[in-house]
Amino acid sequence: QKEVEQDPGPLSVPEGAIVSLNCTYSNSAFQYFMWYRQYSRKGPELLMYTYSSGNKEDGRFTAQVDKSSKYISLFIRDSQPSDSATYLCAMRAMEGGSEKLVFGKGTKLTVNP
Amino acid sequence: DSGVTQTPKHLITATGQRVTLRCSPRSGDLSVYWYQQSLDQGLQFLIQYYNGEERAKGNILERFSAQQFPDLHSELNLSSLELGDSALYFCASSVERGGETQYFGPGTRLLVL
Repeated sequence: QKEVEQDPGPLSVPEGAIVSLNCTYSNSAFQYFMWYRQYSRKGPELLMYTYSSGNKEDGRFTAQVDKSSKYISLFIRDSQPSDSATYLCAMRAMEGGSEKLVFGKGTKLTVNP
Repeated sequence: DSGVTQTPKHLITATGQRVTLRCSPRSGDLSVYWYQQSLDQGLQFLIQYYNGEERAKGNILERFSAQQFPDLHSELNLSSLELGDSALYFCASSVERGGETQYFGPGTRLLVL
């Protein structure tokens, strides 16, 4: 089983839809959870990060972490064509005194006008 | 623009060769991270330096090495190149030692023929 699993999609939605992006993980040591957005031919851009379980909201974006289920989500409300990109989840843990960073493979999202 | 610069933007070389990729972090950032992104493997964390010292190691091959210089710029050296090393190589920087808020550069696209 991979440490971080992310459905690659692709996901296609109409403008204005609510989008739900998800990742599951197997390593209970992960404590920091991040979401990145990557436009084609660009570097990833940090959208949100959360520590441990709970919700965090930033404008149209909401990140949720459920550590008991080892499941994280990113919700995009009122999706816009400019949200079309690949979304990567990422997780961080400290193991044996060393930092461990693992990214999901990304979900490609297209928002159609 | 994230403030992280990477050179060169594109690199074409032959198998067996050696190349050096360069990264300048954002002003004030002490941590530099290197990643490899390919279609089948997604974004793979390679290595992190913090203020000149190696801090974390990911899936970095022995043929690859990196360093961070006193002025905080970093170089990733790839040697004995193989076809499978063709990928996008990203550098990211952050002010803190942890990897929660990383800013990615535009990447170097490496093609090994």
